[in-house]
Amino acid sequence: QKEVEQNSGPLSVPEGAIASLNCTYSDRGSQSFFWYRQYSGKSPELIMSIYSNGDKEDGRFTAQLNKASQYVSLLIRDSQPSDSATYLCAVNHNFGNEKLTFGTGTRLTIIP
Amino acid sequence: DTAVSQTPKYLVTQMGNDKSIKCEQNLGHDTMYWYKQDSKKFLKIMFSYNNKELIINETVPNRFSPKSPDKAHLNLHINSLELGDSAVYFCASSLRQGDEKLFFGSGTQLSVL
Repeated sequence: QKEVEQNSGPLSVPEGAIASLNCTYSDRGSQSFFWYRQYSGKSPELIMSIYSNGDKEDGRFTAQLNKASQYVSLLIRDSQPSDSATYLCAVNHNFGNEKLTFGTGTRLTIIP
Repeated sequence: DTAVSQTPKYLVTQMGNDKSIKCEQNLGHDTMYWYKQDSKKFLKIMFSYNNKELIINETVPNRFSPKSPDKAHLNLHINSLELGDSAVYFCASSLRQGDEKLFFGSGTQLSVL
């Protein structure tokens, strides 16, 4: 059973601080990794993708991947109240197989 | 201009009824999906179609029957609704098979009473 695990939270972070969201996955053969953001009552939207070990930065967001530890994380710098949402980690075992396995999400609240 | 649109947004019905959810995408994508999100926010794939052809069918009860009349549309029909079918159903699309960037519709919240 391929699984993706996240701490469900809620995770509360003061405005302006760094929010750190973590995700572990069980299938060592996983190839591609994604972070989706879902506002309450809305649909998920892709915010980051990462395919190789290391860091990938996009604006205030940094995705980190460690395949040896089967761990992927999302850092949000200078957190804003508008970052308050549920963040879903998604993992794909094989390139070309678009069957993503999602985690249950971490609910993030930014406190003004 | 909504990219992936699904109707209805809310669906409240009695156990045993049959209902349908419609989905359309105007992105020109080849691949469409149905996902189910339960009350704990767990998002799980149900079906995937590529150019009207079924390519992924997870272990979903056969009461659920998807239909894709063309590559821009993927509808979901559910027979004999059960309490456990209550969830939010998301339609999604991607540019092509193997493209992992999904564009989701706004969801249909199904409540079975």
